[in-house]
Amino acid sequence: EVQLVESGGGLVQPGGSLRLSCAASGFNFSNYWMHWVRQAPGKGLMWVSRINDHGSGTRYADSVQGRITISRDNAKKMLYLDLHSVRAEDTAVYFCARPMATIRGAFDIWGQGTMVIVSS
Amino acid sequence: EMVLTQSPGTLSLSPGERATLSCRASQSIAGNYLAWYQQKPGQAPRLVIYGVGGRATGIPDRFSGSGSGTDFTLTLSRLEPEDFAVYYCHHYGASPAFGQGTKVEIK
Repeated sequence: EVQLVESGGGLVQPGGSLRLSCAASGFNFSNYWMHWVRQAPGKGLMWVSRINDHGSGTRYADSVQGRITISRDNAKKMLYLDLHSVRAEDTAVYFCARPMATIRGAFDIWGQGTMVIVSS
Repeated sequence: EMVLTQSPGTLSLSPGERATLSCRASQSIAGNYLAWYQQKPGQAPRLVIYGVGGRATGIPDRFSGSGSGTDFTLTLSRLEPEDFAVYYCHHYGASPAFGQGTKVEIK
């Protein structure tokens, strides 16, 4: 079964850091560009970041540029999102997502999400 | 930066009725890189339509997508009880973007 499972969410203080993980299974992870999408409570979806198949190319939404780092370990089939200097507006459910096509495509596989709460 | 604007914000309809959801892009979308997702409370989004008009696996034919350039539409021909949800359009270009969503609620 093709699956993505996120973990690592929790309560973090403003200015703190957190690493989110996404475990992939059931497909050739190393062939796919991967994405993170977040959703603040009661709000819509916001694309956060993407990484290419080799991990050598990344892109970020303007609102998180400089505070978030995406990375991957193809040998472990893991995708990561490091949150730094978090703010209240980073409070959200974070989803990892896989595109239909290996490089660019609609997101046909989503994880269940992991919740990040930024609060003192 | 691509901005997607969905309308209406909320659509109040009865089962069996037709739903028409709009997504307008701030720039012309090339390559048909436009998708629609359905999301229910507490769940991850589910892909409904890709490439403007392609139905994702398992999506019934009452769902259809159309459009070109900057104007796109998701149509649900006859609403079933399980179709009441929030729908998002998505441009999966070099800098992906989502619309703000349209809630389809039971009237």
